[in-house]
Amino acid sequence: GIQVEQSPPDLILQEGANSTLRCNFSDSVNNLQWFHQNPWGQLINLFYIPSGTKQNGRLSATTVATERYSLLYISSSQTTDSGVYFCAVQFNNDMRFGAGTRLTVKP
Amino acid sequence: DAGITQSPRYKITETGRQVTLMCHQTWSHSYMFWYRQDLGHGLRLIYYSAAADITDKGEVPDGYVVSRSKTENFPLTLESATRSQTSVYFCATNRGRKETQYFGPGTRLLVL
Repeated sequence: GIQVEQSPPDLILQEGANSTLRCNFSDSVNNLQWFHQNPWGQLINLFYIPSGTKQNGRLSATTVATERYSLLYISSSQTTDSGVYFCAVQFNNDMRFGAGTRLTVKP
Repeated sequence: DAGITQSPRYKITETGRQVTLMCHQTWSHSYMFWYRQDLGHGLRLIYYSAAADITDKGEVPDGYVVSRSKTENFPLTLESATRSQTSVYFCATNRGRKETQYFGPGTRLLVL
């Protein structure tokens, strides 16, 4: 099956800092999504981004499908950004998640 | 608009018992998914369904059974629960195959 690797596994930031999270995948995929799991366990979809660049407020994402990676940018981080960020890729109907990046934003 | 609901939210059971976790959606989305989340493994796909009466295996289907007689419901049954099935179970839906995925709140299952 498709392998999904996320880096870094853990990230600690001061409030206001910027960060980049990376997702590498091993094969061509139909789509790619980024999710945020908050400290209460809820999973929220951030981006549906099989290719190209999207922005939503302080967050943006870029997927370069031909090179099999995606980046999630968080600017001016806030304590509410803390949690785990997952990348998920889909080939046909099979969804595979990476192990996640655990982000802690300190006030 | 309730979206996706899961029940129960918490469940404790014993080894060998049958357990059914329920997932209900109000959006009439075609696709529904069941995942389990364990420390060190992230989320892993158990089963998915492309439409009513159409289901297929995911990455970790052993020990689980699903059905989908109605578009809005996608129950997951553990026929004989084992300790290794202690996990957090998430249901998710997509409107179409290449669409944004939305998750339910999860069910925490403890098998003693």
